[in-house]
This record gives sequence, C-alpha cells and structure tokens, in this order.
Amino acid sequence: GAVVSQHPSRVICKSGTSVKIECRSLDFQATTMFWYRQFPKQSLMLMATSNEGSKATYEQGVEKDKFLINHASLTLSTLTVTSAHPEDSSFYICSARSGASVSANYGYTFGSGTRLTVV
Amino acid sequence: QKEVEQDPGPLSVPEGAIVSLNCTYSNSAFQYFMWYRQYSRKGPELLMYTYSSGNKEDGRFTAQVDKSSKYISLFIRDSQPSDSATYLCAMELQGAQKLVFGQGTRLTINP
Repeated sequence: GAVVSQHPSRVICKSGTSVKIECRSLDFQATTMFWYRQFPKQSLMLMATSNEGSKATYEQGVEKDKFLINHASLTLSTLTVTSAHPEDSSFYICSARSGASVSANYGYTFGSGTRLTVV
Repeated sequence: QKEVEQDPGPLSVPEGAIVSLNCTYSNSAFQYFMWYRQYSRKGPELLMYTYSSGNKEDGRFTAQVDKSSKYISLFIRDSQPSDSATYLCAMELQGAQKLVFGQGTRLTINP
C-alpha cells in the first residue's frame, strides 16, 4: 500500500533557529503534497498545498516566509519553519496524493507527523 | 458555521458495543466522504471512503452518506479496545484536491 514517511518524528529547537521537516512518498509518485498543523485535541488545519516543481499555495493566514515549502521531486517535500518561536510549537503532518481523484490508487496518504517544540 | 461539524466527544463505550460517529456538513457540493482514524501522536490513517450517497461496509466498519440530509456516519460493530482513537471525518469537492476535516471525535473502548 501507499506509504508516506515523515521525519523527524519529534524535534526540539531553540527559539530563533530553523527546523526542516521531510515528507517522502516511498512507493508512489506524489503529484501533490499537503502540509497540516494540528493543535492538541483539534482537527487538522491545512497550511499549504504543493505540486512538484511549482510554488506552494498557502492557505489564508499562513505566513509563507515563515513556513517554507519545497517540493523538488515527485517523492519529496520539505517544510522549513524559519526563525521558530514557542507559538510555532505544534504537531505538523504531511500528506501525499497520487492521481487526480480520490478513487485513483491511494487517495490521500498521511505521514506519521512531527512534534515540534520550540524552547 | 463550520463547513463540517463533528462532535468532539469524548465518547466512551464498553467493549463489544456498537459505536456510531457522525458528521454534518453545509456544502452540498461535497462528493467524496472519508473517515480517518488517528492514534495519539500519529498521522491519520484512512478507514473508509465513499463517493456520493450510499453505504459501504468493510469488516466491522460501515460508512453511510445521506446527501439529502448532509449527514454522514461511521458505525463500528463489536468494538475493541484497539479501536480507541480519534476519528476524523473528511470531505472533498470533486476536483478540488483539498480535504475539509471535522474536528474529530475522541473514542475510548473500555475492556
């Protein structure tokens, strides 16, 4: 089945530093990848959508200069949290998709998430 | 009003009970309906998806979609402690490539 690998699973960083999170589709080519943020006991909030080789589309209210997304290949997308602050502490989840419709192949496959703590 | 409404619970039931989880939505253009299970500190995993109205069954799980009422349900039969998790409904407009999630219902199955 479809597998999406996300690393690291947990990261602690100092305020003001940058953190990179990787999302890889292991056994399929992901035409589109998504990045979500999830606060405790809340649902997933879509941050941005990225297509391979093009700039990411950010949701309203998400700072694109703070959350840099790169989708350089059909199997890899990265999210870089720049100049991280404690309020950026959250659970970040990526999702990858192959094909144009949910019913094709794998639909949306999610990574296991990254817990970011900024101290 | 949120596009997708889901009671966050928590919901606690004894092992073996039938569990009913529900979501309502406001956008009649949603065409794809999904249920995800999320264990603590993990990513969501797809349980079931349905296209348009109807029922779909997979083992102990049954998904129902009633588009006329804008209401979807997930039933879990013979619930097990391992079913304890947060269940998220999600929906998609055809061609939109964007999921809209409910808040998630936290479910606990007590042995």
